[in-house]
Amino acid sequence: DAGVIQSPRHEVTEMGQEVTLRCKPISGHNSLFWYRQTMMRGLELLIYFNNNVPIDDSGMPEDRFSAKMPNASFSTLKIQPSEPRDSAVYFCASALRGGLNEQFFGPGTRLTVL
Amino acid sequence: QKEVEQNSGPLSVPEGAIASLNCTYSDRGSQSFFWYRQYSGKSPELIMFIYSNGDKEDGRFTAQLNKASQYVSLLIRDSQPSDSATYLCAVGGSQGNLIFGKGTKLSVKP
Repeated sequence: DAGVIQSPRHEVTEMGQEVTLRCKPISGHNSLFWYRQTMMRGLELLIYFNNNVPIDDSGMPEDRFSAKMPNASFSTLKIQPSEPRDSAVYFCASALRGGLNEQFFGPGTRLTVL
Repeated sequence: QKEVEQNSGPLSVPEGAIASLNCTYSDRGSQSFFWYRQYSGKSPELIMFIYSNGDKEDGRFTAQLNKASQYVSLLIRDSQPSDSATYLCAVGGSQGNLIFGKGTKLSVKP
């Protein structure tokens, strides 16, 4: 299995621009999680989906952030407009719901907003 | 607010020693517990999970769980410089989510 795939791996953009991060979960996994990691705040859960349905988006920092999962093999996290404080590493993880919560992480997207 | 607490470290041990990493959690109803290792610039990778009270051994790693004390630990025997990383403790939530601690940075000195 290829594991969780994320793109792009690095993104540098200017404040105010729209940023879209992409994730392909492990085939057969039906739970998908978006995290943000910074030195100050550690690994924060932003939103997660079970069977393509958003379950908890309470971690999404504000309305500038949105996430979609149109099908079982693809999810996006969008930031519009982006701000310098959004600079972080964004991870996508997937898991087999009905399993025992083991999550498998993608390589992450390092976002820098100038 | 469900919380997972870890000492941020850094924890420094000499090569060959036992490294002991600790974690406490606030939700008494938690049923699943995980240790992830994260090398600098890389993503977290699962190294151990434990669901029952007691010890679980896997090679040089031993996870220990005490639900009464809401405490989970990870022991690394015969520590190697390649074990130098940040170790994240995670606790399973009721909806299949994980709640992560902020991690303990381990440094193993040759």
